[in-house]
Amino acid sequence: AQSVTQPDIHITVSEGASLELRCNYSYGATPYLFWYVQSPGQGLQLLLKYFSGDTLVQGIKGFEAEFKRSQSSFNLRKPSVHWSDAAEYFCAVGQNSGGSNYKLTFGKGTLLTVNP
Amino acid sequence: EAQVTQNPRYLITVTGKKLTVTCSQNMNHEYMSWYRQDPGLGLRQIYYSMNVEVTDKGDVPEGYKVSRKEKRNFPLILESPSPNQTSLYFCASSRSGYSYEQYFGPGTRLTVT
Repeated sequence: AQSVTQPDIHITVSEGASLELRCNYSYGATPYLFWYVQSPGQGLQLLLKYFSGDTLVQGIKGFEAEFKRSQSSFNLRKPSVHWSDAAEYFCAVGQNSGGSNYKLTFGKGTLLTVNP
Repeated sequence: EAQVTQNPRYLITVTGKKLTVTCSQNMNHEYMSWYRQDPGLGLRQIYYSMNVEVTDKGDVPEGYKVSRKEKRNFPLILESPSPNQTSLYFCASSRSGYSYEQYFGPGTRLTVT
């Protein structure tokens, strides 16, 4: 079965430091990969997505992610974290789960804390 | 503004009292879906709809019903809520096909006592 693993439940970084959030997926076909962010009390906002082509994708808020097929990974990065980046981050794979269902399978999330 | 709206945002109810959470989107999306979010479990799909009058079960459909009579609306119905349905619920919509990103509503926090 398709799955998404985010190995880090909680990460703490200092403001201005670089950030990398890890995501590994298990999917038989070409994956459609997404990163979403959820700020406290808010819904999920799409940061970026990978469908095909260039394996380094740029997103909003200065985030980028790199698709590595050989490692089944889609890690999210940001060169310099701001206090407003504190949130929970979800990696997801879009899949045809059988029949006509086009669903997202989510990882369990990584909570990011930013220290001043 | 393109958006997905949910109502209510917060709801406290008692076991067995039927309730409906509404979801509406203004993007003319064909695909809509309901998820629940629980600590340590992430988001899990409850039901989805490919278009009007076309709905099907997701991963955790027990205790829920849905309907899709209009393209823009996709209500979630709990006929007899139980405490294990206490959760944060999200509605989402997208253009048809799994390569398209899903747009999420703000969430409904439900507590069943």
